[in-house]
Amino acid sequence: QVQLQESGPGLVKPSETLSLTCTVSGDSINDYYWSWIRQPPGKGLEWIGYIYYSGSTNYNPSLKSRVTISVDTSKNQFSLKLTSVTAADTAVYYCARRITTSGWYRDDYWGQGALVIVSS
Amino acid sequence: DIQMTQSPSSLSASVGDRVTITCRASQSISTYLNWYQQRPGNAPKLLIYAASSLHSGVPSRFSGSGSGTDFTLTINSLQPEDFATYYCQQSHSAPLTFGGGTKVEIK
Repeated sequence: QVQLQESGPGLVKPSETLSLTCTVSGDSINDYYWSWIRQPPGKGLEWIGYIYYSGSTNYNPSLKSRVTISVDTSKNQFSLKLTSVTAADTAVYYCARRITTSGWYRDDYWGQGALVIVSS
Repeated sequence: DIQMTQSPSSLSASVGDRVTITCRASQSISTYLNWYQQRPGNAPKLLIYAASSLHSGVPSRFSGSGSGTDFTLTINSLQPEDFATYYCQQSHSAPLTFGGGTKVEIK
């Protein structure tokens, strides 16, 4: 059974960098895409971006200037960095595995989510 | 960006009811449409992909249909564990976008 677990600081100061890591267990990180999605409290879901195990990435243009997603295959982990955060970046951050069947992509396994609050 | 519009935003239903949720895309996305269920305090769970393909382990009372711009999620014989929020998501092109969600509440 594939499991994903987000980890990182739950409180980040405005203008600083949010950093989260997703640790994958039960399967190799190789041969898959890996996603980050966030959800502000009481609101809907927003796609942040994804990375292929080889390192190629695709980011949401609304966040692209501030986002970096990276992968460490040796640790079976991938990470999210979001710079210059504001209160609007307060959200539950989810990592997920992205799979495809004949070009139909979806996120089939999700982490439990990590609440990150941006506040001084 | 492709905008995804769900309706209704919320509905009340009873156990055993048939429920239908609609999702409309701002442009054609063929069948690149996923449905997720999110219970309070939990991560979303994949229900349907490619508009109508049931994800492994999902009960057969869930079904999806549609193509182009109009899609439907149907829950036959609503069960207590189905009271949740449902989101559609287009996987046609980046940026991937979600609908605003439909909250299914107990009547």
